[in-house]
Amino acid sequence: EIVLTQTPVSLSVTPGQPASISCKSSQSLLHSDGQTYLYWYLQKAGQPPQLQIYEVFNRFSGVPDRFRGSGSGTDFTLTISRVEPEDVGIYYCMQSIHVPRTFGPGTKLEIK
Amino acid sequence: QVQLVESGGGVVQPGGSRRLSCAASGFSISDYGMHWVRQAPGRGLEWVAFIGFDGIYKFYGDSVRGRFTISRDTSKNTVYLQMNSLREEDTAVYYCTNLDSRIGTYSDYWGQGTLVTVSS
Repeated sequence: EIVLTQTPVSLSVTPGQPASISCKSSQSLLHSDGQTYLYWYLQKAGQPPQLQIYEVFNRFSGVPDRFRGSGSGTDFTLTISRVEPEDVGIYYCMQSIHVPRTFGPGTKLEIK
Repeated sequence: QVQLVESGGGVVQPGGSRRLSCAASGFSISDYGMHWVRQAPGRGLEWVAFIGFDGIYKFYGDSVRGRFTISRDTSKNTVYLQMNSLREEDTAVYYCTNLDSRIGTYSDYWGQGTLVTVSS
């Protein structure tokens, strides 16, 4: 099973300031097809998760361009260039290169 | 309009069984692989099971393999999760989702979840 670790566990950010979340994988997420299957989800309070980033750096439809995914192999980062109040929630990374699918433990983003 | 509606949650005793349903509308489950993902109270996300778009391939998480069975009825456009030999640690909100399954571009379909509480 691929283990994903996320840091930090939580972060509190002033609106307009940047935020960065790290996700590290126990194995490379680079598939033989050339794609890297690392995703980022945001779960807001009382809601199901919602896809933010797919395949490392691609923003899902409707996701603001202040969200940027980067990384390769086993190390990945989600960066929010200027945090907005609507960005609060728990961010999870997920891998889909192997079964079982696995999620990181989550990073809670709060607004100062 | 795409919608996933889970049902079947409730309180069940340890060792008991429960069947969850996930009714899809606005798209065909025959076009997507479908997953169940669960979330214990105050905890993170845990992948539970997957059924392929053809209904043939099925995979399970280690913690549920041998106890849970995923299936579907394409005539009802519904996915099921049969849960047997339930344990207290199975207590969670269960979400139905297409997760990473896609037709060309990505879609992100999730239900609102159904709560299963395993308790005596």
